[in-house]
Amino acid sequence: AIRMTQSPSSLSASTGDRVTITCRATQDLKFRLAWYQQSPGKAPKLLIYATSSLPSGVPSRFSGSGSGTDFSLTISRLQSEDFGTYFCQQYYSNPLTFGGGTRVDMK
Amino acid sequence: EVQLLESGGGLVQRGGSLRLSCAAPDFIVRGNYIHWVRQAPGKGLEWVAVFYGDGGTDFADSVKGRFTIQRDSSENTLYLQMEDLRADDTAMYYCARGVLNYFDLWGQGSLVSVSS
Repeated sequence: AIRMTQSPSSLSASTGDRVTITCRATQDLKFRLAWYQQSPGKAPKLLIYATSSLPSGVPSRFSGSGSGTDFSLTISRLQSEDFGTYFCQQYYSNPLTFGGGTRVDMK
Repeated sequence: EVQLLESGGGLVQRGGSLRLSCAAPDFIVRGNYIHWVRQAPGKGLEWVAVFYGDGGTDFADSVKGRFTIQRDSSENTLYLQMEDLRADDTAMYYCARGVLNYFDLWGQGSLVSVSS
């Protein structure tokens, strides 16, 4: 199975900050990498797919980049509704696997 | 709005069985796959199983041989049948639509608690 490692596991930030989360895979994902946001008590929500594509309705302050085994999610200007936990997920091969999550909370 | 509706969670003893339901309109499911993903309390996400449109299924090694998926086409409902439940099966279970195996729609979740 492909192992996904996220860093940091948590961070504290203020509204307006630029935040970057990284995700590393144990093999080349051929850009098949997604990111999800989860607010407390809620189901995850798709933020980015295919490394850098935003689904309809996701604000443009979210962006994704990367290739091969190294990927990142950037929030250009953190908003209050962005606090929560973020997960990366590879869908290059089964079993589908997730990173351990990055908790973003208020400084 | 919620487009995948889950039900059937609850408290069960170790070794017991439980069936989760995931109701999804046909237009949501058509041409895509339906997955189950779980999250143990305070933990990350773990893929559990997938139902392919042709009726095929696949399961994580951790549940293989204990979990199965059935479909009731007339009610647009999928069922995750869980047998021989263990304490480490305790989790919130989500059904989710898979598009090329990333998840673009999620249910609200159904909590399964296994007591020892």
